[in-house]
Amino acid sequence: SQELEQSPQSLIVQEGKNLTINCTSSKTLYGLYWYKQKYGEGLIFLMMLQKGGEEKSHEKITAKLDEKKQQSSLHITASQPSHAGIYLCGAKLYSSASKIIFGSGTRLSIRP
Amino acid sequence: DTEVTQTPKHLVMGMTNKKSLKCEQHMGHRAMYWYKQKAKKPPELMFVYSYEKLSINESVPSRFSPECPNSSLLNLHLHALQPEDSALYLCASSQGLAGDEQYFGPGTRLTVT
Repeated sequence: SQELEQSPQSLIVQEGKNLTINCTSSKTLYGLYWYKQKYGEGLIFLMMLQKGGEEKSHEKITAKLDEKKQQSSLHITASQPSHAGIYLCGAKLYSSASKIIFGSGTRLSIRP
Repeated sequence: DTEVTQTPKHLVMGMTNKKSLKCEQHMGHRAMYWYKQKAKKPPELMFVYSYEKLSINESVPSRFSPECPNSSLLNLHLHALQPEDSALYLCASSQGLAGDEQYFGPGTRLTVT
């Protein structure tokens, strides 16, 4: 979606290293969702952020929503092979919207 | 339990066939969704049901016909599909519509020959 830009498109990281994936919107975000997808499979819900400045963590994954609510970052600490996959950010761009628009995804590979 | 199930896992159908995809959730969610995902692309919303009523139709061709028989079940009826309709079809559900995270099923890989 042009409304939601995700970067980088792909990432190869040495096991044990940290990494960050960014998601930028051209509009105010009313809900920001991070999902992980293995190739050809369903999406696994990771985290949801709604308030500017909000930060959530789950195991070694931390997501933040910036104060202006137009950008989010996903940070993985000490990456492991199990972190490999496609990370998708999704956003609700209107306060009353039920529709999630997804970014193009970041393909993450972990090098042993 | 955050499980959404989808059947079948794989489906191959001819352009003259009629088939159905099935989705089920037992989380008490009142909103259910169908998405279409082409290879190396993000999911794209097709339909949204809220309280068993069609809430959103993203201008999907009529050869795709959704049905929500009850709050736990969502079907997608397929008829006279085209090869370009081949894709991964994902079902999702959420507690409500606004602001709630959506939980996805594993998808049905559809191939139209």
